[in-house]
Amino acid sequence: DAKTTQPPSMDCAEGRAANLPCNHSTISGNEYVYWYRQIHSQGPQYIIHGLKNNETNEMASLIITEDRKSSTLILPHATLRDTAVYYCIVTGNEKLTFGTGTRLTIIP
Amino acid sequence: NAGVTQTPKFQVLKTGQSMTLQCAQDMNHNSMYWYRQDPGMGLRLIYYSASEGTTDKGEVPNGYNVSRLNKREFSLRLESAAPSQTSVYFCASTRLAGSYNEQFFGPGTRLTVL
Repeated sequence: DAKTTQPPSMDCAEGRAANLPCNHSTISGNEYVYWYRQIHSQGPQYIIHGLKNNETNEMASLIITEDRKSSTLILPHATLRDTAVYYCIVTGNEKLTFGTGTRLTIIP
Repeated sequence: NAGVTQTPKFQVLKTGQSMTLQCAQDMNHNSMYWYRQDPGMGLRLIYYSASEGTTDKGEVPNGYNVSRLNKREFSLRLESAAPSQTSVYFCASTRLAGSYNEQFFGPGTRLTVL
């Protein structure tokens, strides 16, 4: 699986869009980009995934660059409940490799 | 529909003791996983099971054994616990439909080995 690089921490004001970047310059053609988050000490929660097209669901949007070497997760209107550690994962199989992620703090 | 359940929620062991962590899912998923998470770290895969009757090693299998008892249940056994196995253990399952690999996680078991 390709290695990912994320900033260790970010802050975002409540109600604003939170943009979380991820670099995955060694991604292979058959590998997908997944995003999960972990709120406090709970089990991780799936957010979204994509291959090369931008994706949107009820939780977030995923923007993948044309060369697929980086991506951005967008939470359009961040709330205090979005405070969590966000993991960007690149994989071409059923196994997920979690790095240390980005700790996102939503500021009231 | 309880999703993924894990027992126990907390456990304290002495070095050398054994125990089994239980995991069950009611979503009819084929694949199940065991992860461990040390403080300040991401999750690391211990073992996984792609289907009933099959198990494979993950990134950190040493010191653990697993059993896929049936489609619903996947247990993790520590035969002789060591302080280095102090961690939070998460079980997960997924139905794996094409590229869609949404893993559902249990609430975790917090294990301390003294």
